[in-house]
Amino acid sequence: QLQLQESGPGLVKPSEILSLTCAVSSVSVRSTDYHWGWIRQPPGRGLEWLGTMYSSGSTHYNPSLKSRVTMSVDTSKNDLSLRLSSVTAADTAVYYCASAMVRGPLGAFGVWGQGTVVTVSS
Amino acid sequence: QSVLTQPPSASGTPGQRVTISCSGTTSTIGSNTVIWYQQLPRTAPKLLIYINNQRPSGVPDRFSGSKSGTSASLAISGLQSEDEADYYCATWDDSLNGPVFGGGTKLTVL
Repeated sequence: QLQLQESGPGLVKPSEILSLTCAVSSVSVRSTDYHWGWIRQPPGRGLEWLGTMYSSGSTHYNPSLKSRVTMSVDTSKNDLSLRLSSVTAADTAVYYCASAMVRGPLGAFGVWGQGTVVTVSS
Repeated sequence: QSVLTQPPSASGTPGQRVTISCSGTTSTIGSNTVIWYQQLPRTAPKLLIYINNQRPSGVPDRFSGSKSGTSASLAISGLQSEDEADYYCATWDDSLNGPVFGGGTKLTVL
């Protein structure tokens, strides 16, 4: 059964780079059956889509992040990575990785990780 | 400011039927199917409804979804205490070329 688990530093200083990892279990990150997404949730607020890595290997990011975001996969570790540069307090949030089935409805994330809390503060 | 508009809160008593609305535009709900997520306290969101009214395996049939034009609704019948959660609608945004979410509705079971 597909499972996802995020991990990260917890605390990042303003202007630095946030790096998160999402360990994928039971499915290859190169599977042609899944797309992989990152979503975040600021404290007390709603969900924001950050980007998706498609099964083809291409990526599409939310334009609101203005080129600060990069997503990649590490096939040797079977995990996903998210990098967000030039962070500010506004990037403080719970970060989730999630999967969407290629043959499923557009944008429907069926499996989510438990989330990892990231605080941006000096 | 979320792309999709939901009421911030809703409430009902056990056994009651409650509905949560979600409003979008022609490039969001008007052109695409609607998804609903349930987020229990201190947990990750869970897929509740997809393609407007389809339930994943394991979701009780007390939960139902509908869509009309640029709006959608989630209905919960036979309300139970364990239904107390935040509910988010979502859909594809043709302008963004990505998914968008509502601001969430906090459901309280009185």
